[in-house]
Amino acid sequence: DQQVKQNSPSLSVQEGRISILNCDYTNSMFDYFLWYKKYPAEGPTFLISISSIKDKNEDGRFTVFLNKSAKHLSLHIVPSQPGDSAVYFCAASSLAGGTSYGKLTFGQGTILTVHP
Amino acid sequence: NAGVTQTPKFRILKIGQSMTLQCAQDMNHNYMYWYRQDPGMGLKLIYYSVGAGITDKGEVPNGYNVSRSTTEDFPLRLELAAPSQTSVYFCASSRSGGPEQFFGPGTRLTVL
Repeated sequence: DQQVKQNSPSLSVQEGRISILNCDYTNSMFDYFLWYKKYPAEGPTFLISISSIKDKNEDGRFTVFLNKSAKHLSLHIVPSQPGDSAVYFCAASSLAGGTSYGKLTFGQGTILTVHP
Repeated sequence: NAGVTQTPKFRILKIGQSMTLQCAQDMNHNYMYWYRQDPGMGLKLIYYSVGAGITDKGEVPNGYNVSRSTTEDFPLRLELAAPSQTSVYFCASSRSGGPEQFFGPGTRLTVL
């Protein structure tokens, strides 16, 4: 039972264009969503997050959009750079109630390749 | 600050052997986590700890054990290694259970 899904295993984009990575979830209890970036032979690093009380959060070139009714979130990278080439993981947590202890449920990841 | 460190980086085990994956953090985080990542899959939670002396099971705990005697260290023990435990293991920590976690570089384990 995959509660967080990233249906695109890979995405290829030209440098300077927009990259859009998608993520769907099924668990209505999730109320906080994160994107992590992972380079080969390294651990994931936190990129950006969004609470369910918002529908958009922006940090420089990175913007995350949340559509609660569709249980869908997306990460936009504008403009894309070759250094953005990595695996991107979507993750979700249930903070309300204080019993999640920060546990994260991850999607399968999307490999982003940005071509010069 | 070194952040989250893991040793070893790589290990090959024979079926039935046991080993301990080490994890340490120097950020004074109370919460620590162990995940495994199989090829083409997301990270799955094995065990977590909310403080020294307190641990609990995650999504895939079978075949593993943990202990937390100090705030800094959170070792993961594999008893009777099986090929199904071939994976990359990541340790992570967070402040007070906030969802933003800091990850170590991982340990790549192969069981043959």
